[in-house]
Amino acid sequence: DAKTTQPTSMDCAEGRAANLPCNHSTISGNEYVYWYRQIHSQGPQYIIHGLKNNETNEMASLIITEDRKSSTLILPHATLRDTAVYYCIVRRRNSGGGADGLTFGKGTHLIIQP
Amino acid sequence: DAGVIQSPRHEVTEMGQEVTLRCKPISGHDYLFWYRQTMMRGLELLIYFNNNVPIDDSGMPEDRFSAKMPNASFSTLKIQPSEPRDSAVYFCASSNWRETGELFFGEGSRLTVL
Repeated sequence: DAKTTQPTSMDCAEGRAANLPCNHSTISGNEYVYWYRQIHSQGPQYIIHGLKNNETNEMASLIITEDRKSSTLILPHATLRDTAVYYCIVRRRNSGGGADGLTFGKGTHLIIQP
Repeated sequence: DAGVIQSPRHEVTEMGQEVTLRCKPISGHDYLFWYRQTMMRGLELLIYFNNNVPIDDSGMPEDRFSAKMPNASFSTLKIQPSEPRDSAVYFCASSNWRETGELFFGEGSRLTVL
């Protein structure tokens, strides 16, 4: 699976949009971009994933550049409860049903300031 | 659904003792993953199962670690004998990979080996 690069930490003011970047310049055509977050002392939580089109759900939006070498996770109105470590993960999704586990990097520690 | 259930939530034991961690995946999920998290190494995949069969155990650190999945609703991770360097949070996750590819994590078992 392709490697990802994320900033170690970021701050964002409460109520503002939090934009978390991720570089995945070696991504291949069949690899998806997944985002998870881990709030302190809890298990990681799935946020969103995408292949090449932008995606939005109730938690966040995912913007993937046209060349797919980078992406941005957007939390539109950050709250204090969004303080967490955010992981960007690139992996294949085997449509035949086979799978291997996600490989987590260091992630970005997002701190929402009141 | 109650989500992935892990027990115990906290375990303190002495070096040399046997430790057994337990996991009940989400009903209907056909993949089960065991992860370990430490400050130094982050989240590491130890082993995963598909339909109760171990598929990849290359992340298991050594022979002291073993994992079983006797049926679709139960898995164990055993450490025998335990050592202080095994102190970590152990997460179990399950997935129905044919859908979103989302992993659902439990709350983790925090192990301290004295």
